[in-house]
Amino acid sequence: AQSVTQLGSHVSVSEGALVLLRCNYSSSVPPYLFWYVQYPNQGLQLLLKYTSAATLVKGINGFEAEFKKSETSFHLTKPSAHMSDAAEYFCAAARSNTGKLIFGQGTTLQVKP
Amino acid sequence: GAGVSQTPSNKVTEKGKYVELRCDPISGHTALYWYRQSLGQGPEFLIYFQGTGAADDSGLPNDRFFAVRPEGSVSTLKIQRTERGDSAVYLCASTDPSANYGYTFGSGTRLTVV
Repeated sequence: AQSVTQLGSHVSVSEGALVLLRCNYSSSVPPYLFWYVQYPNQGLQLLLKYTSAATLVKGINGFEAEFKKSETSFHLTKPSAHMSDAAEYFCAAARSNTGKLIFGQGTTLQVKP
Repeated sequence: GAGVSQTPSNKVTEKGKYVELRCDPISGHTALYWYRQSLGQGPEFLIYFQGTGAADDSGLPNDRFFAVRPEGSVSTLKIQRTERGDSAVYLCASTDPSANYGYTFGSGTRLTVV
């Protein structure tokens, strides 16, 4: 069965520091992969998605992610954290024709001034 | 509408009661999904509609949960004999399948069973 694992339920960085949020998927066939952000009391907002085109995917708000098949990973990065980046981040995968998303358990990003 | 609308935004109900949660997708989106997000967890898939029919209901936890989409637009998630464990945020998403996985999520309904 397909699964998504996010390493680290909480990540804390200083403002201006590199952000790295880790995601690994379990699948024999590379799935479609997504990163979503969720601010308090709001729905999920798509940051970026991988759909078998370029392995380095650029998203909104300066985020990007690299698909590495050999490592079954899709880690999210941002060169310089802003206070406004503090939120919950979810990695997700879809494989079947239904397109239903399988989510990781989420990573809370804290940005310290 | 401009986005996916979910009503109510908050619902408090007593254990054993029946509740309905509504999702109004983006106009023209044929695919609609329901997810449940418990505190501190990622969303879990419940059910998927393509048009009026439920194409995949494998995520519904038991027969107390049921969802409909009679005209292929608005969907209602129905929960009978609610239990405290049903407390969660229920999220709805819609997409046009030709959009290559471009889901839009609603803000969710926070259900609290007391």
